[in-house]
Amino acid sequence: DTAVSQTPKYLVTQMGNDKSIKCEQNLGHDTMYWYKQDSKKFLKIMFSYNNKELIINETVPNRFSPKSPDKAHLNLHINSLELGDSAVYFCASSQDVVLSSYNEQFFGPGTRLTVL
Amino acid sequence: ELKVEQNPLFLSMQEGKNYTIYCNYSTTSDRLYWYRQDPGKSLESLFVLLSNGAVKQEGRLMASLDTKARLSTLHITAAVHDLSATYFCAVDILSGSRLTFGEGTQLTVNP
Repeated sequence: DTAVSQTPKYLVTQMGNDKSIKCEQNLGHDTMYWYKQDSKKFLKIMFSYNNKELIINETVPNRFSPKSPDKAHLNLHINSLELGDSAVYFCASSQDVVLSSYNEQFFGPGTRLTVL
Repeated sequence: ELKVEQNPLFLSMQEGKNYTIYCNYSTTSDRLYWYRQDPGKSLESLFVLLSNGAVKQEGRLMASLDTKARLSTLHITAAVHDLSATYFCAVDILSGSRLTFGEGTQLTVNP
């Protein structure tokens, strides 16, 4: 009964390719996120969706496009992959940040992306 | 812009010893979170601190929050090898849902 799941776990691809990472949560949460963790383990938020609506869109190249078909899913599509995109990408979810008094986030297992 | 700084970034300690990890942040907030990450793994929520003076304990770990000083501490008592991991603090501002993470403290507990 995995709470937040991501696929694939590992992704190795060539520069210039387009790839997608999928995320699903079964916690009944309304808010989902994408984070990037670089080689120094620094975690930075990329996007956040609340009830399928984009609420956070950090300064991320527009090659990255999130899509939320429903509130349990948040996918990340990356076009024209570059070497610098190599990182671990984490999906997370939390209760509705508007209704909840706090923002405890639950993280997926991560997707390690390697661009060659 | 909210900044969150952890200190130290690397900590090597012997089993049985005590130590404290510090987390400072730059903007008013009364919501602070601690996470643990094992190598190659996901982040696991450890503590949620929601008010000034909040203290929470789980096993050998105790977290506290001083919102006036904009400081949280994670105290390790009688460390054991199983506590070896990277510990992150994170802060969110009341007005939004964004979590800003510290750089992480890589803890190694040696036998």
